[in-house]
Amino acid sequence: AQTVTQSQPEMSVQEAETVTLSCTYDTSENNYYLFWYKQPPSRQMILVIRQEAYKQQNATENRFSVNFQKAAKSFSLKISDSQLGDTAMYFCAFGGDRETSGSRLTFGEGTQLTVNP
Amino acid sequence: DGGITQSPKYLFRKEGQNVTLSCEQNLNHDAMYWYRQDPGQGLRLIYYSQIVNDFQKGDIAEGYSVSREKKESFPLTVTSAQKNPTAFYLCASSRFSGPYNEQFFGPGTRLTVL
Repeated sequence: AQTVTQSQPEMSVQEAETVTLSCTYDTSENNYYLFWYKQPPSRQMILVIRQEAYKQQNATENRFSVNFQKAAKSFSLKISDSQLGDTAMYFCAFGGDRETSGSRLTFGEGTQLTVNP
Repeated sequence: DGGITQSPKYLFRKEGQNVTLSCEQNLNHDAMYWYRQDPGQGLRLIYYSQIVNDFQKGDIAEGYSVSREKKESFPLTVTSAQKNPTAFYLCASSRFSGPYNEQFFGPGTRLTVL
């Protein structure tokens, strides 16, 4: 079974600065997908960014980028130019090969990020 | 607009009662999921369904039941057998075909046992 670990329960950053959230996972699969979801105070889960394991290039979405280290099984999220609206719980999630794992995702415990003015 | 709706937003239950949480999607997604979220914690999978008329237990299925009679609907019943049902419940859906199994989430239902 896959496991996802987020070792930072809480983090804080000053507005306009950069912050990195850590995520590690454990799997024996070679073909999989990784996601970062954001859950703001409204509690609506929103996809931030996704990475396909077979792509070596790190995914980027505006101020959000990932550092995907497949050999190390690490998938960190970098938020540049942090904004007050980035304050949220961030969840790392793993999606395995659907032939073997089906369509379910495995989520980490989450990191509560607070952006301070 | 396509999306996932959950109702009600808030639900109160007396001990010993069964309650049903509604989840509807118009995204034409094949798979649907139910998660439970406790304060300050991550998402735990209760049940999921990859096709109509089929569903599988997740990690914490005890005390819950589901049905999947229509592609767009996946209701969750919290039975009296669930010892501590007070929590936030999230429904999600995803395409089963295609390259991604990205899940889209509804706004959630907050269940409180009185």
